[in-house]
Amino acid sequence: AQSVSQHNHHVILSEAASLELGCNYSYGGTVNLFWYVQYPGQHLQLLLKYFSGDPLVKGIKGFEAEFIKSKFSFNLRKPSVQWSDTAEYFCAVLNSGGYQKVTFGIGTKLQVIP
Amino acid sequence: KAGVTQTPRYLIKTRGQQVTLSCSPISGHRSVSWYQQTPGQGLQFLFEYFSETQRNKGNFPGRFSGRQFSNSRSEMNVSTLELGDSALYLCASSLGGVQVNQFFGPGTRLTVL
Repeated sequence: AQSVSQHNHHVILSEAASLELGCNYSYGGTVNLFWYVQYPGQHLQLLLKYFSGDPLVKGIKGFEAEFIKSKFSFNLRKPSVQWSDTAEYFCAVLNSGGYQKVTFGIGTKLQVIP
Repeated sequence: KAGVTQTPRYLIKTRGQQVTLSCSPISGHRSVSWYQQTPGQGLQFLFEYFSETQRNKGNFPGRFSGRQFSNSRSEMNVSTLELGDSALYLCASSLGGVQVNQFFGPGTRLTVL
């Protein structure tokens, strides 16, 4: 069965620190990959996505993620976090088979301290 | 353009009852997906509807069902509620038939007592 692992459930960083959130998935076929973000009191929204092409994708607010197929990983990065990045981050995988299904990771809560 | 709306926002039910949740997608979106969000399990996919047909289904028991109307609005029904059904139920809509670029609603918080 398809699964997504987010290893860090709660991360605390100081402003200006660099961020890397891990995401690994298990699925043998072609996948589309996503990172979603949920700011406090707001809806879940798309941060960035990978479908094909350049494995380094850039999203909103300075976030980027790199798809490493050999490692089944899609880690989210940001060189310098801000207090406003405090949110919960979800990695998600869409299998590109005939029966499509999105699987989300359990989420990582990021707290940025001013 | 109005976003995805879900009603009601909060609901309290007792075990054994049934509940119906509603989702209105963004205008023009034909795909509606439902998710259950709990602290321990994260987001779990329930099902997706496209043009009034269930296209994809997650691993939930048959107590969870849904439907989609010709205007793309969708309803989700849970029968014989259990304590473990307490969760935030999220609806997401998208333009195409695949679950990409989903736009999420605020969710319905269901509490089962």
